Amino acid sequence: QSALTQPASVSGSPGQSITISCTGTNSDLGNYDYVSWYQQHPGKAPKLMIFDVSNRPSGVSNRFSGSKSGTTASLTISGLQTDDEADYYCLSYTSSSTLVFGGGTRLTVL
Amino acid sequence: QPQLVQSGPEVKKPGASVRVSCKASGYRFSTYRISWVRQAPGQGLEWVGWYAQNLQGRVTMTTDTSTNTAYMELTGLRSDDTAVYYCARESWGTWYFDLWGRGTLLIVSS
Repeated sequence: QSALTQPASVSGSPGQSITISCTGTNSDLGNYDYVSWYQQHPGKAPKLMIFDVSNRPSGVSNRFSGSKSGTTASLTISGLQTDDEADYYCLSYTSSSTLVFGGGTRLTVL
Repeated sequence: QPQLVQSGPEVKKPGASVRVSCKASGYRFSTYRISWVRQAPGQGLEWVGWYAQNLQGRVTMTTDTSTNTAYMELTGLRSDDTAVYYCARESWGTWYFDLWGRGTLLIVSS
C-alpha cells in the first residue's frame, strides 16, 4: 500500500488560513470516510486533530477543520498561530483492512 | 487520565531481536486495541500494525490483559529498522488513534 500523497511543505502568516491536501485512491480514502489528521511537533508524539474526515476531538481548536472530495481529503487551519507550526499527517483506512499514512506536510508559520 | 507508557530506548546489533512494551492505564484496556507506528529519523509515520500485517513476518504483537500491556517484538533487525516506535490506542473499528505513547527509540547498529 503506497503512502497517501501530501505536499512536502506549506506556509502561511499568522492570522491567515492554509489548507493541506491528502490524495489517495479509490482503495483508501476515496471509498471510506475513515480519514484522520495528526499534528506532530518536533520530538513529540503525534496528536489527533481530526477524525472521520471532519470531526474534532474534544479539546482541539475549532480553527482546525477537515473535508473530503473524491480521493482527496483536506485539513484547513484558520487564524494561523505560531504554535501551529508542526508536521501534519493524514491517515486512511484501506480496502485491505489496513491503515496508511500520508507522507507528511511541514507547516511553517512565517 | 488515560496514558500509554512505553519502555526505554534500545540499541541492538543487526540480526538481533527487540521487544518494546506499552503499558496502558486510566481506561478499560479491552475496549481499545493497540497499534504500532514507527518513524525513521527525519521521515514520516509508518503504520506497522496491530498484529503482524507488515515487516515481512518479522514482527509479533501481543497483549497481556492481566497487566494491560502491549508488546511488539521485532526479529532479524536491520539498520533500516532504526526508528522511534510509537504505540497508539484505537477504539475497535474506528480506524484512528486518539492516544499515543511517547515513543521508544530503537537504534540498530553494528
